[in-house]
Amino acid sequence: EPEVTQTPSHQVTQMGQEVILRCVPISNHLYFYWYRQILGQKVEFLVSFYNNEISEKSEIFDDQFSVERPDGSNFTLKIRSTKLEDSAMYFCASRGLPPYNEQFFGPGTRLTVL
Amino acid sequence: KNEVEQSPQNLTAQEGEFITINCSYSVGISALHWLQQHPGGGIVSLFMLSSGKKKHGRLIATINIQEKHSSLHITASHPRDSAVYICAVIMDSSYKLIFGSGTRLLVRP
Repeated sequence: EPEVTQTPSHQVTQMGQEVILRCVPISNHLYFYWYRQILGQKVEFLVSFYNNEISEKSEIFDDQFSVERPDGSNFTLKIRSTKLEDSAMYFCASRGLPPYNEQFFGPGTRLTVL
Repeated sequence: KNEVEQSPQNLTAQEGEFITINCSYSVGISALHWLQQHPGGGIVSLFMLSSGKKKHGRLIATINIQEKHSSLHITASHPRDSAVYICAVIMDSSYKLIFGSGTRLLVRP
C-alpha cells in the first residue's frame, strides 16, 4: 500500500542552524502539506503546496520557513535559522485530486533544537 | 476560541467497554477526519466523512453537519486501542486541516 515517508525520523540541531526535512508523498498525489506539533500541544497547519507553489500558509510560516519540490518526488521543508521554539514533530501529508480529499500522513520528523 | 473542540480530553475505560469521543466545530467544513496518534507520534487516518456514518471493524464514526458535531465510537474496546484520537476538519474554503486537541484514551485490561 502506498505511503508517505519522511526523513530523518529525528533531527537534533543547534540554534541558528539550517535544517531540511524531507518527505516523499504518495506518487500520484498533487497536494502537499506540512503540519507541526509542539510537545503536548495540538497539531497546527503550516503550509499547503500545489502546482509548484504555496497555496496557503499560516502565521507560523514566516520568512524562516520555505518549501520546495526539487525533483518531482521529494517535498522539503527548510528552516533557515532554527530557534528553540521550532522544536516539534513535523508531519508531511499528501492527497489526490478532488473528490479524493483524504490526507495521508507521514510518520513525522522529531526536530530538537538545542 | 477553538474552532474544533473535543471531549473528553482524557478517558480511561475497562477492556470491553463501549467508548464515545465527541467533536464539535464552529466553522464551515467540507469533511472531517478522525485520526489516531500512538505514543511514538505517528498519525493514522481512521475515517474521513462528510455525512452520515462510517464503520470499520470496531470503529464507527458519525457526523451531523447541521449540528456541527461528530462522534467516534469504539465497540468492545481493547488495550491496543489506547492512543490519542484527534478530530480534524477540512475547511470549506481550503483543504487545510484544523485539528482538535485530541482525546487521550487508556483502555485497561
